[in-house]
Amino acid sequence: DAGVTQSPTHLIKTRGQQVTLRCSPKSGHDTVSWYQQALGQGPQFIFQYYEEEERQRGNFPDRFSGHQFPNYSSELNVNALLLGDSALYLCASSLAGGGRFEQYFGPGTRLTVT
Amino acid sequence: AQSVTQPDIHITVSEGASLELRCNYSYGATPYLFWYVQSPGQGLQLLLKYFSGDTLVQGIKGFEAEFKRSQSSFNLRKPSVHWSDAAEYFCAVGARSNDYKLSFGAGTTVTVRA
Repeated sequence: DAGVTQSPTHLIKTRGQQVTLRCSPKSGHDTVSWYQQALGQGPQFIFQYYEEEERQRGNFPDRFSGHQFPNYSSELNVNALLLGDSALYLCASSLAGGGRFEQYFGPGTRLTVT
Repeated sequence: AQSVTQPDIHITVSEGASLELRCNYSYGATPYLFWYVQSPGQGLQLLLKYFSGDTLVQGIKGFEAEFKRSQSSFNLRKPSVHWSDAAEYFCAVGARSNDYKLSFGAGTTVTVRA
């Protein structure tokens, strides 16, 4: 049973560029949440997708957007990259309803903005 | 708004000694509480969770945590630490009324000395 997978593992971008990160949820899960973890910090909630719609959003600007596909996989897009966007981006999957609390995390994508 | 405080940034413990990590939360209603562990370069692994019922919960890898409503705490314990327990530990809180969004503490780094 495959767990949550994310790609790429590492990414280096330049300020002003755009980036897309990908996530495949654990088998059987239908909800995907994205978190940003800056160095030395705890993860910060970006948004959550269920039924291909954004259901909940944290305190992140509109430069951060996402998408969920019919197979439940998801993408996180960040436009106009800033140095402060450098972080580990974590994807977590869960089941709708009460199961949404039991979130399984992927290994993350390390984004470096130069 | 829900929030989590982990007062200890770094703890060093000898192998075989006991470990206790502190977590205090702020939330008006009954929270859903979690402890996650993150090894270097890895994603987050769920150690245990509290939803309701027995206030002492058992998790994986020999960890347990106790929910104390009067103290707004959810401290993590392990009777005898192994070298492989060296990692970063995160406490998180969620609420059904907040659409299952998880809020994490800043984490506690555990170092195990031989």
